[in-house]
Amino acid sequence: SQQGEEDPQALSIQEGENATMNCSYKTSINNLQWYRQNSGRGLVHLILIRSNEREKHSGRLRVTLDTSKKSSSLLITASRAADTASYFCALDNTDKLIFGTGTRLQVFP
Amino acid sequence: EAGVVQSPRYKIIEKKQPVAFWCNPISGHNTLYWYRQNLGQGPELLIRYENEEAVDDSQLPKDRFSAERLKGVDSTLKIQPAELGDSAVYLCASSLGGNSAYEQYFGPGTRLTVT
Repeated sequence: SQQGEEDPQALSIQEGENATMNCSYKTSINNLQWYRQNSGRGLVHLILIRSNEREKHSGRLRVTLDTSKKSSSLLITASRAADTASYFCALDNTDKLIFGTGTRLQVFP
Repeated sequence: EAGVVQSPRYKIIEKKQPVAFWCNPISGHNTLYWYRQNLGQGPELLIRYENEEAVDDSQLPKDRFSAERLKGVDSTLKIQPAELGDSAVYLCASSLGGNSAYEQYFGPGTRLTVT
């Protein structure tokens, strides 16, 4: 399967804590993207990391990519209640995005 | 700037009935996508358009699903007849280009319930 698999499936933390989500895959990729989905704003692009990159930052988000292990991680630092959402990794190897099953993050105030 | 617009937001129909979803992409976006998202899953691509041309419809169940993008702007996705398993959220997205390095902008989706 080309689909990425996120781990954990669900994560609950307190505000201020860090949240780490992982994505593993089996095929080669051109790039990997992370998306967030909540009821208020739908599905929103967070960050794209190319296969020749190892780490990218965007605000409180840090994404790493290890192509040798075929895995990526998304770290959200100093989490807020508003970060409560489902987070999906999406793989691209043929100009088509294949979304994983997602990690459901709950941040308690 | 207006985002991707979809209508209706919700639709409840009985099985065997037809249903249609409409999408208006972001102005200037040549690439348009239709996805289906089942409960607890990530979105799955149904079809991708580059302007008026469907360049990837390999995942579209062609026996009952059809789509069109007249004039390369708005798009309509149709199901006829609907089955119970078609209950899902149907998402439309658009991007500046077909290379998936471009960010995709998603609409709010249409939640379809087939009874």
